[in-house]
Amino acid sequence: EVQLVESGGGLVNPGGSLRLSCAASGFTFSNAWMTWVRQAPGKGLEWVGRIKSKTDGGTTEYAAPVKGRFTISREDSKNTLYLEINSLKSEDTGVYYCTTGLGSSSNYWGQGTLVTVSS
Amino acid sequence: DIQMTQSPSSLSASVGDRVTITCRASQGIRNDLGWYQQKPGKAPKRLIYAASSLQSGVPSRFSGSGSGTEFTLTISSLQPEDFATYYCLQHNSSPRTFGQGTKVEIK
Repeated sequence: EVQLVESGGGLVNPGGSLRLSCAASGFTFSNAWMTWVRQAPGKGLEWVGRIKSKTDGGTTEYAAPVKGRFTISREDSKNTLYLEINSLKSEDTGVYYCTTGLGSSSNYWGQGTLVTVSS
Repeated sequence: DIQMTQSPSSLSASVGDRVTITCRASQGIRNDLGWYQQKPGKAPKRLIYAASSLQSGVPSRFSGSGSGTEFTLTISSLQPEDFATYYCLQHNSSPRTFGQGTKVEIK
């Protein structure tokens, strides 16, 4: 059974940093392109960014609002995806989901982790 | 960036109604589009991939159509469990972009 489990969310001061994790199981993580999606309270879904598999180059892409502040990385030996968030702003508040398979016939999502940016 | 314009933003319908939701892409995206259902407090669930392919396990009352710039999600006979918010997502180019969402409410 495929599982994606996010963790690392919490309450952070504006300007602070946080690292989110997504632990994967039930599929060959090293072959997967992984994506982060977020959702502000009461708002729609927003694509944050993506990392390719290492065999496909391991490159990352980001949405404009987060470029330069967010960093996506992966540790294939631990089947874990990361999202490092710096210089947090109030508009970064929301639930962060990891997902895979957006472009394939199988698609999986984690349950999400809540990030709250407030003083 | 490709903009996805989804309409309507909300609709009220009754059980048994036929419901149609549309997404328009600002440029051609072939059939690189998925439709997602999200219920409050839950992660999104994909219903349709490649614009018209039904995700395994999803009821056949859901269908998708379209290619290029115009896409449609149809629910042939709305069921109580279908009241939710629906989103389209293009994965033709980066950044990937979602539609604004359509909230389907009970009339």
